Amino acid sequence: QKEVEQDPGPLSVPEGAIVSLNCTYSNSAFQYFMWYRQYSRKGPELLMYTYSSGNKEDGRFTAQVDKSSKYISLFIRDSQPSDSATYLCAMSEGNTPLVFGKGTRLSVIA
Amino acid sequence: NAGVTQTPKFQVLKTGQSMTLQCAQDMNHNSMYWYRQDPGMGLRLIYYSASEGTTDKGEVPNGYNVSRLNKREFSLRLESAAPSQTSVYFCATGTVSGNTIYFGEGSWLTVV
Repeated sequence: QKEVEQDPGPLSVPEGAIVSLNCTYSNSAFQYFMWYRQYSRKGPELLMYTYSSGNKEDGRFTAQVDKSSKYISLFIRDSQPSDSATYLCAMSEGNTPLVFGKGTRLSVIA
Repeated sequence: NAGVTQTPKFQVLKTGQSMTLQCAQDMNHNSMYWYRQDPGMGLRLIYYSASEGTTDKGEVPNGYNVSRLNKREFSLRLESAAPSQTSVYFCATGTVSGNTIYFGEGSWLTVV
């Protein structure tokens, strides 16, 4: 079993929909959780950062961490065609390199 | 402020040739990383350097060597390129804790 599991999609939604992206993990020592967005032929860019459990909101984006279930989510409200990208979850114990999910490819259709 | 700069952006190599991918960062971070990204495999760590003067193997180090030249620069060398090393390579930099890292734009390498 990989340390981090992420459904690769692709996920296709209409403009304005609420998008839910998820990752599960097996290492209970993970305490730092991130979401990266990667546009085609570009490097990943940091989108959201969360420490330990709880929610964090930034504009249309909300990150949730449930450490008891070893499950993290990224919600995108009022999705736009410009949100079409691959979304990668990443996590770390702290003082160790990030472990990435394989990414979910999202298409938002106008 | 360029962030993380990788060169070259595109390269085609013949099997057995050698080459070095260069990476420089101006974010004043201590840690630097090299990843490769392949379809269906996600980002896999090749080598990293937690600080100037140190390097450590990641998940897929075979066939690669690295040099942490100074705080800003971290190079990745392929001594004898193989078709299995055809990939997109990303350099990244981050804090010592490694909790957040910032990526370059990538280097597309094809080995024929």
